[in-house]
Amino acid sequence: GQQLNQSPQSMFIQEGEDVSMNCTSSSIFNTWLWYKQEPGEGPVLLIALYKAGELTSNGRLTAQFGITRKDSFLNISASIPSDVGIYFCAGVYNFNKFYFGSGTKLNVKP
Amino acid sequence: GAVVSQHPSRVICKSGTSVKIECRSLDFQATTMFWYRQFPKKSLMLMATSNEGSKATYEQGVEKDKFLINHASLTLSTLTVTSAHPEDSSFYICSANTGTNYGYTFGSGTRLTVV
Repeated sequence: GQQLNQSPQSMFIQEGEDVSMNCTSSSIFNTWLWYKQEPGEGPVLLIALYKAGELTSNGRLTAQFGITRKDSFLNISASIPSDVGIYFCAGVYNFNKFYFGSGTKLNVKP
Repeated sequence: GAVVSQHPSRVICKSGTSVKIECRSLDFQATTMFWYRQFPKKSLMLMATSNEGSKATYEQGVEKDKFLINHASLTLSTLTVTSAHPEDSSFYICSANTGTNYGYTFGSGTRLTVV
């Protein structure tokens, strides 16, 4: 399957700090998606990016689809304790197949 | 919003037995559903694409005789782990296309433990 490199693997930050994580791939994707997963649950979609260069926001979250279509980043501004979880990027190939990054575990200290 | 229900949420079974996991789209029809496997602290790995009324498409390295998929209706796909072994213990998650652009909703997952 496709390989997505997601970094960092984990982050320990203070409440109020901004967070940045990214994904890179050797393959081109039609779409990049960012998900959040909490323990024992399935992933929940945060942001979808459909076009190269696209920059999209969802509240305190901002994500961009890289120009080369091989990368994407997610920023979280002014983090709060409920942001804790594992964030996954996903590249969508052939409009139907999802390939997930390895995840970024976010810990926020109040 | 679109909801995908997965059952059971947790199951413990003995080695050698088979376990069936259900994935249902509650308020929409899904011609295609996807099954993923997730190891602890690891990412989701696509196992197979479940197609209503036809055979599932398996990813490379996934044994189709080991992981039987049946998509008998537009709202139900099942994954049966046959002759389970401890190494099959994992978190299995399904997802379904809600019909909107990239509206893929995930189930809440099934934690399988084989003892």
